[in-house]
Amino acid sequence: EAGVAQSPRYKIIEKRQSVAFWCNPISGHATLYWYQQILGQGPKLLIQFQNNGVVDDSQLPKDRFSAERLKGVDSTLKIQPAKLEDSAVYLCASSFRARGYEQYFGPGTRLTVT
Amino acid sequence: QQQVKQSPQSLIVQKGGISIINCAYENTAFDYFPWYQQFPGKGPALLIAIRPDVSEKKEGRFTISFNKSAKQFSLHIMDSQPGDSATYFCAALSGGYQKVTFGTGTKLQVIP
Repeated sequence: EAGVAQSPRYKIIEKRQSVAFWCNPISGHATLYWYQQILGQGPKLLIQFQNNGVVDDSQLPKDRFSAERLKGVDSTLKIQPAKLEDSAVYLCASSFRARGYEQYFGPGTRLTVT
Repeated sequence: QQQVKQSPQSLIVQKGGISIINCAYENTAFDYFPWYQQFPGKGPALLIAIRPDVSEKKEGRFTISFNKSAKQFSLHIMDSQPGDSATYFCAALSGGYQKVTFGTGTKLQVIP
């Protein structure tokens, strides 16, 4: 079974630039999550999709972050404009609808904002 | 904001010893408690999970102990091995959409 795919793996940008991350979840997983993991901390949920609808985006900085899930499969997370404090690993995860405790994570994208 | 407090921040254990990581929560709406293991450069992976109506769950060398009245739960790794060296996160789920709140993580190092 293929795992959660993410790209790019690494990205370095200057502050005020924009960046986009891509995620392809495990086939059949209705729920998709984007997390931000700052070095030395636990993952923080940014947004959760059920199919292609948003069910939780309470911690998403909506003035600069946006996300969409195309046709209930792939998803993109965008930051525009980036700030220094956005430097982190951005993790995508997916799960079956009723098994939110069993999330499968991708390898993450390490973002450095200079 | 819902929180899950985790301790210790780091832990060094000798090979063959027992590693113990503790977590505490306040929100009684949490209804499922998984533990995740994360190796450097990788995403977290589910290790073991427990429901609040169960006091203990064991899978191989890994055991979760759950104290509902104290709102605390812990992970015990028996016969710890160098390959167990990783960061461990406790977590808690709540709500119909099963939102996951992660603890702050414990970096475990098992020395030979």
